[in-house]
Amino acid sequence: QSVLTQPPSASGTPGQRVTISCSGSSSNIGTNYVYWYQQLPGTAPKLLIFRNTQRPSGVPDRFSGSRSGTSASLAISGLRSEDEADYYCATWDTSLTGHVIFGGGTKVTVL
Amino acid sequence: QVQLVQSGAEVKKPGASVKVSCKASGYTFTRYGISWVRQAPGQGLEWMGWISAYGGNTNYAQKFKGRVTMTTDTSTSTVYMDLRSLTSDDTAVYYCARESVGWLAEFDHWGQGTLVTVSS
Repeated sequence: QSVLTQPPSASGTPGQRVTISCSGSSSNIGTNYVYWYQQLPGTAPKLLIFRNTQRPSGVPDRFSGSRSGTSASLAISGLRSEDEADYYCATWDTSLTGHVIFGGGTKVTVL
Repeated sequence: QVQLVQSGAEVKKPGASVKVSCKASGYTFTRYGISWVRQAPGQGLEWMGWISAYGGNTNYAQKFKGRVTMTTDTSTSTVYMDLRSLTSDDTAVYYCARESVGWLAEFDHWGQGTLVTVSS
């Protein structure tokens, strides 16, 4: 299993707010930036949130990231059908000599 | 615009090797690194390692050390990932992703993916 723990699934109706958690430890999330990736079905992942809270240009402000201690969260507000995708958190682990680690992924379903 | 274009799908027998390429364009190649990330069918993302496009320094995930080699050709702005001693567990889509130097895990552009199937 992954060093970073995510719930396998989350769901909501259109317009709702959905939050995805990512739990780690002091050697990864507790020390280093967290990134979030969105993977639509059949496509390559896309950078959604970088350095804990920043959005790349073109990413709607409905998506927001936060980090507290050894956990991080991704929130999707005003859920839309096109948000149905897999979401992965990522960071690196200082105990693994700069190795990147991913969470197991969370499948978001729009009901 | 930044583009990473990967080589096509491969079918290999157990024990064989595969070499996947990732050709970069639209940016200064040597200012970034490239990581390789794979995804087995129905599974999550797994980081394999990183190579600096500037000096060719590498950093491989412990799991793949001794079995993977990443190289770079600055004349063609292409990065290669060579994986040896393939087993069925290596069946996956392999992605290359651009990584800003000094910003581990910050993959701002991805290739389209290359499906590698290992089957006897």
